[in-house]
Amino acid sequence: AQSVSQHNHHVILSEAASLELGCNYSYGGTVNLFWYVQYPGQHLQLLLKYFSGDPLVKGIKGFEAEFIKSKFSFNLRKPSVQWSDTAEYFCAVDPGTASKLTFGTGTRLQVTL
Amino acid sequence: AAGVIQSPRHLIKEKRETATLKCYPIPRHDTVYWYQQGPGQDPQFLISFYEKMQSDKGSIPDRFSAQQFSDYHSELNMSSLELGDSALYFCASSPGTNYNEQFFGPGTRLTVL
Repeated sequence: AQSVSQHNHHVILSEAASLELGCNYSYGGTVNLFWYVQYPGQHLQLLLKYFSGDPLVKGIKGFEAEFIKSKFSFNLRKPSVQWSDTAEYFCAVDPGTASKLTFGTGTRLQVTL
Repeated sequence: AAGVIQSPRHLIKEKRETATLKCYPIPRHDTVYWYQQGPGQDPQFLISFYEKMQSDKGSIPDRFSAQQFSDYHSELNMSSLELGDSALYFCASSPGTNYNEQFFGPGTRLTVL
């Protein structure tokens, strides 16, 4: 069964600091990769996704992620975080078919002023 | 743009009661997914439907059942509720098997007392 690991459970950054959240997955075949954000009390929103092509994908709100196939990784980055980025971030994987998403345990990001 | 609608948004039940959660997918989306997110946890896949047929099944208890109706809305029926069923239940929809992403609804917060 596929699994997703997010190594950072809680990250605290000051505004304008750079962000990188790690995500590794275990699945040998083709995968689709996603990052979702969940603001406090809200539902999951898609930040970005990778299906194929350029391994560097850009999403909303200045986020980007890089798919490194050899490392089974899909790390999320943002050069300069804002206080409004305070949220929980979930990496998710599906096995390239229209089926369930497997989520990582999430990373809680807290951005301080 | 139309989004996934879930009702009710909040539900409080006693132990051993039953609950029905409803999900209305985005128009022309024929695939529905249900996820359960316990407090401080990542979303866990429960079950999915495509064209009114169950397409995949995850860690859904036997006390739970679900179906998708002719208008593509879905209902999750939960019986003999337990304290541990308290969670946020998300529904997501996608446009069929050649899907690009799952669009999540706002969730139903179920509290079992």
